[in-house]
Amino acid sequence: NSKVIQTPRYLVKGQGQKAKMRCIPEKGHPVVFWYQQNKNNEFKFLINFQNQEVLQQIDMTEKRFSAECPSNSPCSLEIQSSEAGDSALYLCASSSQGRGTEVFFGKGTRLTVV
Amino acid sequence: GDSVTQTEGLVTLTKGLPVMLNCTYQTTYSPFLFWYVQHLNEAPKLLLKSSTDNKRTEHQGFYATLHKSSSSFHLQKSSVQLSDSALYFCALSPNYAQGLTFGLGTRVSVFP
Repeated sequence: NSKVIQTPRYLVKGQGQKAKMRCIPEKGHPVVFWYQQNKNNEFKFLINFQNQEVLQQIDMTEKRFSAECPSNSPCSLEIQSSEAGDSALYLCASSSQGRGTEVFFGKGTRLTVV
Repeated sequence: GDSVTQTEGLVTLTKGLPVMLNCTYQTTYSPFLFWYVQHLNEAPKLLLKSSTDNKRTEHQGFYATLHKSSSSFHLQKSSVQLSDSALYFCALSPNYAQGLTFGLGTRVSVFP
């Protein structure tokens, strides 16, 4: 079973509200990813970290989304001003370093923006 | 750019029949391919992975062979079970920084 823990499982926000979700990666994994899975089950990479530093992020993330992975605290992804199009399943994942290593996913936070 | 194509959106079949899910990819890097399975309300879980050309890899009755000549990594099972009903994603690891590039997924529905 996955040891990546995401909270909350469900989040309902009004348009314009902040939405914050948290992730505890698997112990010992230095790399953390955030993906958005839309209603058509498509995955979109948002941002990833290695040892608290941002490795790569997409433009969307840079504008309304903020994320951090402080040491000794859960990682977090926050949407500053939620839009209807942000409704999706947000998946956090972690892995050890290097290409080809298994990426372990959490069960996700399902965000609904009403 | 790097991409993964899964041609079937939905596959429905009867328990006990074989299944093959197609996956082809494009990348400028040396390919590392994965199959993930996502059951309803569960986390995606790794099913198979490979970076070795022409070598079959197996797990839990599923198997796949990476063929670099045809850029393919099709997933197969000889006899599906009801519990195999799930979403199946083929994914590519193009480079270390960006993590996985996923296909659009194939939903498999197995009926009694």
